[in-house]
Amino acid sequence: DTGVSQNPRHKITKRGQNVTFRCDPISEHNRLYWYRQTLGQGPEFLTYFQNEAQLEKSRLLSDRFSAERPKGSFSTLEIQRTEQGDSAMYLCASSWGLGSYNEQFFGPGTRLTVL
Amino acid sequence: AQSVAQPEDQVNVAEGNPLTVKCTYSVSGNPYLFWYVQYPNRGLQFLLKYITGDNLVKGSYGFEAEFNKSQTSFHLKKPSALVSDSALYFCAVRDKPNTGFQKLVFGTGTRLLVSP
Repeated sequence: DTGVSQNPRHKITKRGQNVTFRCDPISEHNRLYWYRQTLGQGPEFLTYFQNEAQLEKSRLLSDRFSAERPKGSFSTLEIQRTEQGDSAMYLCASSWGLGSYNEQFFGPGTRLTVL
Repeated sequence: AQSVAQPEDQVNVAEGNPLTVKCTYSVSGNPYLFWYVQYPNRGLQFLLKYITGDNLVKGSYGFEAEFNKSQTSFHLKKPSALVSDSALYFCAVRDKPNTGFQKLVFGTGTRLLVSP
């Protein structure tokens, strides 16, 4: 168990391009979360999966954003037609259990720069 | 909605001195509170949490936090600071606890600088 991993660690793209990020959670964790963090701010919640079901989505997750977690394992976050405002650190986290008090374990993040 | 506030952008402390990083919360119902630390170019690391029970919570790396319901605070503390404690610290609260929602709401962070 090496913790939550995210790929790529850095992504530079041009405005209008599509990008996809991958998150591999801790293997026994049934819950997976995506957050976005901009400079000088705390992470902001984007979406949450329990197993393969996407149960919660933030209003920050516009129509250009889509997330999947096929088979309840790894997850992908895709951003279509990227905009400069999408530049941020995208963080993935995972946790185990059914209660709402378990801590979330975060990956190192993917830093997106949109030129 | 639940929220937390971290009133200090930065805290400076000399190595060996006690440190306190402040957090206040606003919730409806009982709060589930968390502290995370973020080192440069790395993700957040969990330090400790308060769910219920003893108001003094002990966590990783010698950190502890005191839950104070009357002051709606959850300050992070350490008796003796190390230079390696220098990092960005985030307080967070579970949004809508005891429901199916799992979202964490984070504060804006406090940068801790420990000088040798």
